[in-house]
Amino acid sequence: LAKTTQPISMDSYEGQEVNITCSHNNIATNDYITWYQQFPSQGPRFIIQGYKTKVTNEVASLFIPADRKSSTLSLPRVSLSDTAVYYCLVGPISGGYNKLIFGAGTRLAVHP
Amino acid sequence: DTAVSQTPKYLVTQMGNDKSIKCEQNLGHDTMYWYKQDSKKFLKIMFSYNNKELIINETVPNRFSPKSPDKAHLNLHINSLELGDSAVYFCASSPETGGEQYFGPGTRLTVT
Repeated sequence: LAKTTQPISMDSYEGQEVNITCSHNNIATNDYITWYQQFPSQGPRFIIQGYKTKVTNEVASLFIPADRKSSTLSLPRVSLSDTAVYYCLVGPISGGYNKLIFGAGTRLAVHP
Repeated sequence: DTAVSQTPKYLVTQMGNDKSIKCEQNLGHDTMYWYKQDSKKFLKIMFSYNNKELIINETVPNRFSPKSPDKAHLNLHINSLELGDSAVYFCASSPETGGEQYFGPGTRLTVT
């Protein structure tokens, strides 16, 4: 199972773009990269998922280089409400025995 | 309408007791999960069921027994509760194993 490494914490200010990078050097061919967000006292919430290149939705963008050994979650123009813990997960989507492992996550603090 | 619901939200009990946490999802998903988030905020998968069949069973004491009466429900029963069982327990569901997971609000279990 691919292990992920991400910064423990990050600080930003309202209106800035935030990029959180995750390393997954031993990612497997059939692994996807998924990001979750967790607010205090709530369950994690799916943000975005991708396999390669770039994925964008209404909340964030996910950049994955050709070697797929890392990925970057980009949050445009963050607000105070984006203060949360962000988890990077790597694993297959379907088929066979599978589990997603949540690491320590990155604690993002957005300041006024 | 709540997609994934858990009851109770808070549970305070004494060592040695037996307790259950209930989970229901109304998303029509095939796969459901139980996670434990300890005081250090690490989120660890405990069990996963796909169409009422156990597919993931992590290294969890056999005092923990999941039960899936139907595809929409996955309950967690814990026997002989110990102090170390104190944590927040999250239920989640996904349309397929490893797909986007939808988490419940969590159940904070405190064992005294």
